[in-house]
Amino acid sequence: RKEVEQDPGPFNVPEGATVAFNCTYSNSASQSFFWYRQDCRKEPKLLMSVYSSGNEDGRFTAQLNRASQYISLLIRDSKLSDSATYLCVVRPGGYQKVTFGIGTKLQVIP
Amino acid sequence: DAGITQSPRYKITETGRQVTLMCHQTWSHSYMFWYRQDLGHGLRLIYYSAAADITDKGEVPDGYVVSRSKTENFPLTLESATRSQTSVYFCASSEPGLAGEETQYFGPGTRLLVL
Repeated sequence: RKEVEQDPGPFNVPEGATVAFNCTYSNSASQSFFWYRQDCRKEPKLLMSVYSSGNEDGRFTAQLNRASQYISLLIRDSKLSDSATYLCVVRPGGYQKVTFGIGTKLQVIP
Repeated sequence: DAGITQSPRYKITETGRQVTLMCHQTWSHSYMFWYRQDLGHGLRLIYYSAAADITDKGEVPDGYVVSRSKTENFPLTLESATRSQTSVYFCASSEPGLAGEETQYFGPGTRLLVL
């Protein structure tokens, strides 16, 4: 089983739609979780950290479910500019190394 | 406000040649990382460094060498390039924080083609 698993998609959604991605991780000792965004042929950039209590940043909501070992990203009112690949990132406690998921590609359609 | 830079941005080389990819950061971050990104694999860690003169292997270190004589520089050398090393290479840096929420900041990447 891969350390971090994501559905690569693509997810094709119309503008204004709500879309959700999940990401599962295998190491139950993992302590830090992140979502990164990567535009085509660009470097990954942090979208948001994922906290145990869940967190929201505008149209984006991230959740952590430790019991089932997955994190989620919800995007409301999708914009064309949200089209990108979303990378799930997991870090075991005490280490700086992180593991990246393969990424989920989102295409928002006019 | 340069942040983290990589050079060259594009490189074409031949099998068997030695190639060095450069990475420079201006934040004085302790940690630096080299990743490669390939279709179907996502980002995979090649090497990382916790400080000057401290380096460690990542997931796919074979065929690569790193050094870190200065905090701000972390060059990656392909000793004898192979076609399987054709990839996009990203350098990243981070600084440990109390909350463990430190972000990795990525350079713009180097696209390497080995013929």
